[in-house]
Amino acid sequence: ETGVTQTPRHLVMGMTNKKSLKCEQHLGHNAMYWYKQSAKKPLELMFVYNFKEQTENNSVPSRFSPECPNSSHLFLHLHTLQPEDSALYLCASSQYWGQGFSGNTIYFGEGSWLTVV
Amino acid sequence: AQKVTQAQTEISVVEKEDVTLDCVYETRDTTYYLFWYKQPPSGELVFLIRRNSFDEQNEISGRYSWNFQKSTSSFNFTITASQVVDSAVYFCALSDQGAQKLVFGQGTRLTINP
Repeated sequence: ETGVTQTPRHLVMGMTNKKSLKCEQHLGHNAMYWYKQSAKKPLELMFVYNFKEQTENNSVPSRFSPECPNSSHLFLHLHTLQPEDSALYLCASSQYWGQGFSGNTIYFGEGSWLTVV
Repeated sequence: AQKVTQAQTEISVVEKEDVTLDCVYETRDTTYYLFWYKQPPSGELVFLIRRNSFDEQNEISGRYSWNFQKSTSSFNFTITASQVVDSAVYFCALSDQGAQKLVFGQGTRLTINP
């Protein structure tokens, strides 16, 4: 059983829909991430949250809206997406020790396969 | 800027053969981390190994071994006596000291045929 669980595993949505991806980590970590994997680009970082605070937004369009209510849960709210946003969205977590300290390994969930029609 | 290159897009071998997956990286950092992840068809990225830039010792874990050479900026991964269950996409990744922003290669799709 994976320490990072994502729901739903598969999602099909229209361009005018609003949906959310959910992620929960059971590893006791304090940092969470969203990564995107599409057919045309390598895996790329979208957002980083440390201690529930967003510390990185990798120039992600505003139609993707993350939310981190606590260190164990992470959401990605989706609205007015485009077909090119169809991709595998991977949530991940790690233990963060603070600026200047060596980081720990990032563990990933199984991903949510998103299709925008 | 950091960059990872996995020149082998696809590799196909027969079971029990040895196979090496190549990874070349670029970074200006003196402290950095290198990773290998395995992605089976289910989609999950499974962590395999992490090395820091100061540890060039090769590592062996069962049928898996890794060769880290700073002189050539390479971090290659070898599977000995491959098995069908090894079929997956394998990603090499690089991060700075904070290890929060992984830069991935394009991945190598490995197919082990019975």
